Amino acid sequence: QVQLVQSGAEVKKPGASVKVSCRASGYTFTNYAIHWVRQAPGQSLEWMGWIDAGNGRTKYSQEFQGRVTITRDTSASTANMELSSLRSGDTAVYYCSRGIWARSGWYHFDSWGQGTQVTVSS
Amino acid sequence: DIQMTQSPSTLSASVGDRVTITCRASQSISSWLAWYQQKPGKAPKVLIYKASTLESGVPSRFSGSGSGTEFTLTISSLQPDDFATYYCQQYNSYSTFGQGTKVEI
Repeated sequence: QVQLVQSGAEVKKPGASVKVSCRASGYTFTNYAIHWVRQAPGQSLEWMGWIDAGNGRTKYSQEFQGRVTITRDTSASTANMELSSLRSGDTAVYYCSRGIWARSGWYHFDSWGQGTQVTVSS
Repeated sequence: DIQMTQSPSTLSASVGDRVTITCRASQSISSWLAWYQQKPGKAPKVLIYKASTLESGVPSRFSGSGSGTEFTLTISSLQPDDFATYYCQQYNSYSTFGQGTKVEI
């Protein structure tokens, strides 16, 4: 079965960077996109960006452009999301998810990681 | 950016009730809409995609309808396991989520 397993919780100071990993199993990693979505406490879901695990192409939300970098390691079936210049408003649970391509050119998400809590605090 | 507005924000219901949640898009998104269920401390789970296609393994009491700018998620007979928060997501252009509807007892 499809599984996405994320790295553990992180506590960072303002201005620092954080890198969250997402290891996939149960399917051919390079045949799908991996998306990153975050959820601040008590808030809705916010899409951050995605990577085509096959060719490495990325696309980011304008909200995070310049601060987020998504990479992948096909040998390890792992996608990574790095967010820089952290501020308190970045405190959230970060999820990776597998994207299912639609003819619109975009994706819905059929499998999710368990989430990684990132806390930004001085 | 396409904005997604859900209503109501909170819904009080009882086991066995028929429940309807509405999601409106700020512009037409054709049928590129998904619905997710999220329970506290857990990741979202997809229920419906392409507005009305039931994800494999999801109970048939869940159904979705709509196209263009107005969509609904219906639970035909609410079960104890259905008390959760529900989100719509448009994937016509980029991806945006509604603010959520909490279904409570």
